[in-house]
Amino acid sequence: QQQVKQSPQSLIVQKGGISIINCAYENTAFDYFPWYQQFPGKGPALLIAIRPDVSEKKEGRFTISFNKSAKQFSLHIMDSQPGDSATYFCAASIVGDDKIIFGKGTRLHILP
Amino acid sequence: NAGVTQTPKFRILKIGQSMTLQCTQDMNHNYMYWYRQDPGMGLKLIYYSVGAGITDKGEVPNGYNVSRSTTEDFPLRLELAAPSQTSVYFCASTPGGVVTEAFFGQGTRLTVV
Repeated sequence: QQQVKQSPQSLIVQKGGISIINCAYENTAFDYFPWYQQFPGKGPALLIAIRPDVSEKKEGRFTISFNKSAKQFSLHIMDSQPGDSATYFCAASIVGDDKIIFGKGTRLHILP
Repeated sequence: NAGVTQTPKFRILKIGQSMTLQCTQDMNHNYMYWYRQDPGMGLKLIYYSVGAGITDKGEVPNGYNVSRSTTEDFPLRLELAAPSQTSVYFCASTPGGVVTEAFFGQGTRLTVV
């Protein structure tokens, strides 16, 4: 119930293409769904986040799509660039609770 | 603001040695966390703290200890290091309450030989 399942484990996309990473959860009490971006040798950093009262959130080339009934959410990176090559983690938490539950991560490589 | 600072960045330990990974944050955050990151396994929570004097176990606490005597500092102690503790360790903090963004340090890469 406390798991967040992320797929794929790795992804290769051509420059200019769309990168899509998917996550699924079981605990319907989760009410905050962030995505973190991690570059090699660095700690993860918040990229974009969504709450379940909206179905989509867009920030620049990054979009979260959220399907509450399916208990799934995904990250879309439009016009993917080599600088987007990183590891991406989805996560879920309950606002006011102690812990953040992370997915296992997706290594994204954008071909130049 | 420095954010979350971890020291050291790299360390090699021999089996059976002990060490303390330091973590300090200057954002006055109540919540602090220690994670370990292994290839393909994501971030696993070791210990966390919701305030000074309060700590609790996460998913993988065995072989580790923590303390939280101040809001700023949250050191992680490894006793009797084992090869299974070879990993990258991240400290993180959040304000808690309705603000849930986590701020991470740059990590400590630990190798136990």
